[in-house]
Amino acid sequence: NAGVTQTPKFQVLKTGQSMTLQCAQDMNHNSMYWYRQDPGMGLRLIYYSASEGTTDKGEVPNGYNVSRLNKREFSLRLESAAPSQTSVYFCATHWTGANNSPLHFGNGTRLTVT
Amino acid sequence: AQSVTQPDIHITVSEGASLELRCNYSYGATPYLFWYVQSPGQGLQLLLKYFSGDTLVQGIKGFEAEFKRSQSSFNLRKPSVHWSDAAEYFCAVGAEGAQKLVFGQGTRLTINP
Repeated sequence: NAGVTQTPKFQVLKTGQSMTLQCAQDMNHNSMYWYRQDPGMGLRLIYYSASEGTTDKGEVPNGYNVSRLNKREFSLRLESAAPSQTSVYFCATHWTGANNSPLHFGNGTRLTVT
Repeated sequence: AQSVTQPDIHITVSEGASLELRCNYSYGATPYLFWYVQSPGQGLQLLLKYFSGDTLVQGIKGFEAEFKRSQSSFNLRKPSVHWSDAAEYFCAVGAEGAQKLVFGQGTRLTINP
């Protein structure tokens, strides 16, 4: 089925460890996004990629890097994890062919940093 | 910059009762407005959207929302809730579509049997 796939679903890291969150889509959408969700904060944009080969910072980019590997894949890397990065991370895609088209979300990665 | 406020963090209603979830936005131009629902452990699913035209929009699962420019609001309503509507609901505003959407804090809905 078409959709947005995130791996892993759960991850526990120690402070200072690194990891990469993977996101892949088969919806042929141009734009891809990484959000983090924290209680009482809603979703906040970390980074986005308007098209293959481009990436831009969102509202909360510090401590993260991204790679738009190709049209399908957009990864989020934590180089040195901190407890403040404990969160649920969502990847989303968007078809830019129509201004009112919605975001399509993956099911999230729950990350705990101890 | 755009912003969204959902004044109610948590709402409890009885099954069969009517529901209204509030959303106020701040944006200088005509906004693109969305309501998303998130079930536990899941991603967000689009309920409905507004970008122009009729200010009352219909969505999935029997939800509707009304855009009121004068009040900068986009409240979500349902005439009769079902136990399966228990979830968290997010209002979002965007400029020229969904790119760089700004989300509200969310409203958690609990349904009493």
